[in-house]
Amino acid sequence: SQKIEQNSEALNIQEGKTATLTCNYTNYSPAYLQWYRQDPGRGPVFLLLIRENEKEKRKERLKVTFDTTLKQSLFHITASQPADSATYLCALGTNNNAGNMLTFGGGTRLMVKP
Amino acid sequence: DAGVIQSPRHEVTEMGQEVTLRCKPISGHNSLFWYRQTMMRGLELLIYFNNNVPIDDSGMPEDRFSAKMPNASFSTLKIQPSEPRDSAVYFCASSLGYPGAEQYFGPGTRLTVT
Repeated sequence: SQKIEQNSEALNIQEGKTATLTCNYTNYSPAYLQWYRQDPGRGPVFLLLIRENEKEKRKERLKVTFDTTLKQSLFHITASQPADSATYLCALGTNNNAGNMLTFGGGTRLMVKP
Repeated sequence: DAGVIQSPRHEVTEMGQEVTLRCKPISGHNSLFWYRQTMMRGLELLIYFNNNVPIDDSGMPEDRFSAKMPNASFSTLKIQPSEPRDSAVYFCASSLGYPGAEQYFGPGTRLTVT
């Protein structure tokens, strides 16, 4: 069956370090992958989109990689700050005439300590 | 734009009662999604509308759940009768309908069924 796995354990890092979050998937051929940020009590907020023919995308302190051979995406936050503490969700989408329907992973909670 | 609007923000009801959740998508968006989020199951897609037409309702748990989108600016998710296991946060999201388009989430409705 299709599965999207993110580390369910919280990731604790020190301010200023680089945080790296992992999204692995099986039995899936996504055309694109998105990352969202979710703060407690709020809905997810879109951060980045990467398509299957792209290896890497950057936006300010954020970097996403997409390896369709390994079936994995890595999400990096450089020079992390306490304000980056949140849950980060990856989501996969296909081009099968389903518009922009997404399947979400379970999310990883990031805690950045000052 | 005010973003995606959901009401009510909180709902507490007794088992067996009917519950109706409401959503107003962002103006101009032609795709609308209803999700349910719990600690155990994460963020699950319940139903997806495109141009007010239900495209995929395979995530709707059972016949107790129904969703409608009578026009481009309004959607409802109804649970009748409600059960304690329906307790969750329900999110509505809207987007433009092309593959890869980002989804904009509402603040969610926290439903508690006692």
